[in-house]
Amino acid sequence: QVLLVQSGSELKKPGASVKVSCKASGYTFSAYDMNWVRQAPGQGLEWMGWINTNTGNPTFAQGFTGRFVFSLDTSVSTAYLQISSLKAEDTAVYYCAKGCGSGSYCFDYWGQGTLVTVSS
Amino acid sequence: QSVLTQPPSVSAAPGQKVTISCSGSSPNIGNNFVSWYQQLPGTAPKLLIYDNSERPSGIPDRFSGSKSGTSATLGITGLQTGDEAEYYCGTWDSSLSAEVFGGGTKLTVL
Repeated sequence: QVLLVQSGSELKKPGASVKVSCKASGYTFSAYDMNWVRQAPGQGLEWMGWINTNTGNPTFAQGFTGRFVFSLDTSVSTAYLQISSLKAEDTAVYYCAKGCGSGSYCFDYWGQGTLVTVSS
Repeated sequence: QSVLTQPPSVSAAPGQKVTISCSGSSPNIGNNFVSWYQQLPGTAPKLLIYDNSERPSGIPDRFSGSKSGTSATLGITGLQTGDEAEYYCGTWDSSLSAEVFGGGTKLTVL
């Protein structure tokens, strides 16, 4: 079955960096886009962007440029989200979500989420 | 403010039916497929409906979706206490070149 397993919670100080991993299994990793979605405490879902798992080309939503990096290690079917120069407002749960493919803009499998807390 | 507008909350009794609306505009709902997600407390979102009205395998037919113009609706029949969750609509916005979500609707099964 399809599984997306993310790395554990992180507590970081302002200005630090964090790297969240998302290991996929149960499907052909390079055949489907991987998306990243942020959910701030008590808030809704916010799409951060996606990475083409075939070419490695990332696309970022407005507000997620500059400090955010999407990357892949296709040898281990893993996607990564790196955030640098962390700010308190980056505190959120970050989800990876597999694209549905076949022209459908939806996310059919989600990781369990990684809580990133930024606090001094 | 979310690009898509959902009511903050809805409620109904067990066994009853509820609908959740999602209002958008031409660049998003008007010209793209809508999906719906269920987020149980403390868990990741789960896909309920895609392509406006299609259900992934394993999703019971108590859940249905529809779209008309620039609005979409999620329907849930035979409400159960286990359906208490936050529900989000989502679609592609061709003007923003981004996936957009509604603000979420909290369903309470009284």
